[in-house]
Amino acid sequence: QVQLQESGPGLVKPSQTLSLTCTVSGGSISSGSYYWSWIRQPAGKGLEWIGRIHTSGGTNYNPSLNSRVTISVDTSKNQFSLKLSSVTAADTAVYYCARGGDTVVTAQFDYWGQGTLVTVSS
Amino acid sequence: EIVMTQSPATLSVSPGERATLSCRASQSVSSNLAWYQQKPGQAPRLLIYGASSRATGVPARFSGSGSGTEFTLTISSLQSEDFAVYYCQQYNYWYTFGQGTKLEIK
Repeated sequence: QVQLQESGPGLVKPSQTLSLTCTVSGGSISSGSYYWSWIRQPAGKGLEWIGRIHTSGGTNYNPSLNSRVTISVDTSKNQFSLKLSSVTAADTAVYYCARGGDTVVTAQFDYWGQGTLVTVSS
Repeated sequence: EIVMTQSPATLSVSPGERATLSCRASQSVSSNLAWYQQKPGQAPRLLIYGASSRATGVPARFSGSGSGTEFTLTISSLQSEDFAVYYCQQYNYWYTFGQGTKLEIK
């Protein structure tokens, strides 16, 4: 059973860089054909896809956040990470990591982390 | 960007009754549509993918239908644990989610 767990600071100052890590257990992050994504949800609001990284290392980002987002993978630690630069209060949200397939018909998110709240405030 | 619109925003239904939730895409997403259930303080849970296939472990009272731009999630006989927020999501072109339908007890 695949499990994902987010970790990182719960408080980030405005204009700084938000950094989160997702640790995958129950399977190797580099096996199979998957995209590993970050998704966020402001309090009381809907879900927004941030970006993804493939098991091969290729990345794609939401165009609305593209210039501020970097996603990377560390296969030795079975982790992938999110960096979001120049944060503002609008980036305050619960951040989830999730797994999806790498074909258009398998791309649904079948495994999710429990989520971690990140607050942007001075 | 493909915009997903869910209706209604809130649906009040009595336990044991049927609930029908709708989702519309701003352009065709074929059958690349998923439904998720989210309870307070929890991550979304995949219920339906491919518009009509139930995910592993999802009870048969949950069913999905539709293709193109119009989709429906039906819960045939509501149980207490089904009261939650439901999101549709398209994955035909990147990923976008609807704003959610809150299913509440009448």
